[in-house]
Amino acid sequence: DAKTTQPNSMESNEEEPVHLPCNHSTISGTDYIHWYRQLPSQGPEYVIHGLTSNVNNRMASLAIAEDRKSSTLILHRATLRDAAVYYCILRVSNNAGNMLTFGGGTRLMVKP
Amino acid sequence: DSGVTQTPKHLITATGQRVTLRCSPRSGDLSVYWYQQSLDQGLQFLIHYYNGEERAKGNILERFSAQQFPDLHSELNLSSLELGDSALYFCASSERGSLNTEAFFGQGTRLTVV
Repeated sequence: DAKTTQPNSMESNEEEPVHLPCNHSTISGTDYIHWYRQLPSQGPEYVIHGLTSNVNNRMASLAIAEDRKSSTLILHRATLRDAAVYYCILRVSNNAGNMLTFGGGTRLMVKP
Repeated sequence: DSGVTQTPKHLITATGQRVTLRCSPRSGDLSVYWYQQSLDQGLQFLIHYYNGEERAKGNILERFSAQQFPDLHSELNLSSLELGDSALYFCASSERGSLNTEAFFGQGTRLTVV
């Protein structure tokens, strides 16, 4: 399976933007980039996904590098509620079940 | 609320016993995935069902089995339980299970084996 690399942890101040990086240098042309987050004591929650173009939704923005070997999840204004583990996942086309393969993720801490 | 319902929320049982975890997917979702999350292993994929058929297996032990019923709900059966099976078990559902669709996770069942 194509692999992703994320920093173990990041810190942000409340109400400031947060840029969470993800490297996926072995990505292939049909692999989708998905982001999920997991708040304490909860199940993972879908954040955003994309293929080639940058994507925006009510939760976040996803910036995808032109060569697709990296991407950045952008939270425009961090709140305390955004403190969670953020997972960058490649959903790969050679995966019979198309399941999400979770790595270690980035633990985001938000300071008031 | 993701729309995915898992029951029970908590389960405490003894070693050697058998338990059944239940998952009701979002209305209309055909794919159901099961994951195990323990402190030292992170989120591990167990098994995927699509419209009643098994599509993929991950690191699922032989003591574990699952099925998806005609009404699309799914059950994960864990037998001959060991202390190491204590974990959070998550179910997720998605419309088709394709690459371009998001998955929605339930709140999980916390299993404690004593």
